[in-house]
Amino acid sequence: DGGITQSPKYLFRKEGQNVTLSCEQNLNHDAMYWYRQDPGQGLRLIYYSQIVNDFQKGDIAEGYSVSREKKESFPLTVTSAQKNPTAFYLCASSQRGGSAGYTFGSGTRLTVV
Amino acid sequence: DAKTTQPPSMDCAEGRAANLPCNHSTISGNEYVYWYRQIHSQGPQYIIHGLKNNETNEMASLIITEDRKSSTLILPHATLRDTAVYYCIVREENAGNMLTFGGGTRLMVKP
Repeated sequence: DGGITQSPKYLFRKEGQNVTLSCEQNLNHDAMYWYRQDPGQGLRLIYYSQIVNDFQKGDIAEGYSVSREKKESFPLTVTSAQKNPTAFYLCASSQRGGSAGYTFGSGTRLTVV
Repeated sequence: DAKTTQPPSMDCAEGRAANLPCNHSTISGNEYVYWYRQIHSQGPQYIIHGLKNNETNEMASLIITEDRKSSTLILPHATLRDTAVYYCIVREENAGNMLTFGGGTRLMVKP
């Protein structure tokens, strides 16, 4: 079955460490996205990529970095510069253009202690 | 993207229809209306989208007013598993596929 996979589901890190969250899709979608969600809040866009080897900052990119070396993969690194990294992170993908909607992964809950 | 306004919470009795309203009074002619829902601690799930006409699929129906300034998502026979946060989003076709999520409506289906 086609889908989008995020791993791990739960992640714990010490303050000051960088951590990379994985996102893989086999839907042949061109575009991929990373969102952050805090408790009781909506989703906020961190980074997005419309095509391989290209990506753009979203609304809250500071303290995060991404790469898009393959169509299937869009990893997110939470760096030590991110002041409040504890959150629920969601990855999504979609076809480019038209009225295509998103397919979301199941999320990674990051806790920094 | 045009902004949307949704009630923060609603209750619905199990087996009854759940009607979730959304106001999007500044919507432009080429903006679609999308609905997603998010069950606790999961990724959002696509439900339905439409431009002008009413739409129906296996999950729900979408009713868009003639002036397109508001819409209603209808879950015809709500179950306990429909308890979730429902997001109404408007987005222009080909606008970089960006979806902006607001606060949504927290629907509680009660036995």
